[in-house]
Amino acid sequence: NAGVTQTPKFQVLKTGQSMTLQCAQDMNHNSMYWYRQDPGMGLRLIYYSASEGTTDKGEVPNGYNVSRLNKREFSLRLESAAPSQTSVYFCASSETSQGNSPLHFGNGTRLTVT
Amino acid sequence: GESVGLHLPTLSVQEGDNSIINCAYSNSASDYFIWYKQESGKGPQFIIDIRSNMDKRQGQRVTVLLNKTVKHLSLQIAATQPGDSAVYFCAERRAGNQFYFGTGTSLTVIP
Repeated sequence: NAGVTQTPKFQVLKTGQSMTLQCAQDMNHNSMYWYRQDPGMGLRLIYYSASEGTTDKGEVPNGYNVSRLNKREFSLRLESAAPSQTSVYFCASSETSQGNSPLHFGNGTRLTVT
Repeated sequence: GESVGLHLPTLSVQEGDNSIINCAYSNSASDYFIWYKQESGKGPQFIIDIRSNMDKRQGQRVTVLLNKTVKHLSLQIAATQPGDSAVYFCAERRAGNQFYFGTGTSLTVIP
């Protein structure tokens, strides 16, 4: 049981380049989330998907887009990377669509934008 | 040992002692709270959760206390072990599916 799998684990981009972070969960969870983690700032919600076919903005959505490809997969896209997007990105999933079950996290993607 | 979260983000305790990690949350409408443990290079790992209709919940060696009056949450770890060294985060559900995380407290266990 792999849980939440994120790819890639590490990535270096130049300013202006684009990339997609991939996330898949095998727990049949309904909700999926993207967070970023910066030193001293905890985890901040970028986007979430309460159920297949829906996505909503979180606290820091600017510069990002998401796609809930199917129930298992939720991708995060940076169209034009900026140095301010250097961060560790975590994907998470939770069982319910109502936000009343714990989030289960992947091990992150460490992104550096130069 | 005891921390006050944002005001004292590091906590050092002797192996075998009890640890108390505190968290102040901001939204009185938050109704679901979760504690996470994060080890270096890994994602946050679920420890225990509590709903707002409860004051206390116990797990294996851990207890979470919720005081809604002062909007305060604490995590107590009994008989702290070296493997408990990590950063601990509290998370609150404010609305719908949006969970907000504190900045974390770093726990170091001294053998």
